[in-house]
Amino acid sequence: DADVTQTPRNRITKTGKRIMLECSQTKGHDRMYWYRQDPGLGLRLIYYSFDVKDINKGEISDGYSVSRQAQAKFSLSLESAIPNQTALYFCATSDAGMETVTDTQYFGPGTRLTVL
Amino acid sequence: GEDVEQSLFLSVREGDSSVINCTYTDSSSTYLYWYKQEPGAGLQLLTYIFSNMDMKQDQRLTVLLNKKDKHLSLRIADTQTGDSAIYFCAETGSGGYNKLIFGAGTRLAVHP
Repeated sequence: DADVTQTPRNRITKTGKRIMLECSQTKGHDRMYWYRQDPGLGLRLIYYSFDVKDINKGEISDGYSVSRQAQAKFSLSLESAIPNQTALYFCATSDAGMETVTDTQYFGPGTRLTVL
Repeated sequence: GEDVEQSLFLSVREGDSSVINCTYTDSSSTYLYWYKQEPGAGLQLLTYIFSNMDMKQDQRLTVLLNKKDKHLSLRIADTQTGDSAIYFCAETGSGGYNKLIFGAGTRLAVHP
């Protein structure tokens, strides 16, 4: 079974709709991240969370919100979707913490979101 | 600000070596990473290098780091069709917390 899972894998929606993307992990990591990927732009960080009570904005948080329901779950919401939010969205976890000095990130398979 | 730059595309013949280059701006980066993204999949860590090293070898992969020029490269020896993917360079950003800054990715195409 995959360590980081995302649902749905594909979603087509209309402008103005509320959308939630979900992420679950079984790696036991405290840190979780949401990125979006656009062609030629690489990955841009939307939000990140270092533990259940910690939520931080990334470089492109406008139009998005997140919820860290448990150590294993981190969801991303688009309150009112717009076409320029069409992208590939990735959730990731990290093993960074007190006992590790690296920040190896483990990615989910991605959610392809299309906003019409 | 923090920035990571890569060329967007590289084409090589099967069996040749591939060299993917990356430049970064944050001299305080502790670790630099190479991730691989195959079609339809998320990113997977290929290798990383600590900033006080200048070379790391792992089977067909060789990472070279020139800290003075802030230049990182990934060499893949004997490139195979299965190496076709997008390769992302990433650095740990500054600011008191661990955060990865990714380049835009280099698409490697391997042809016969």
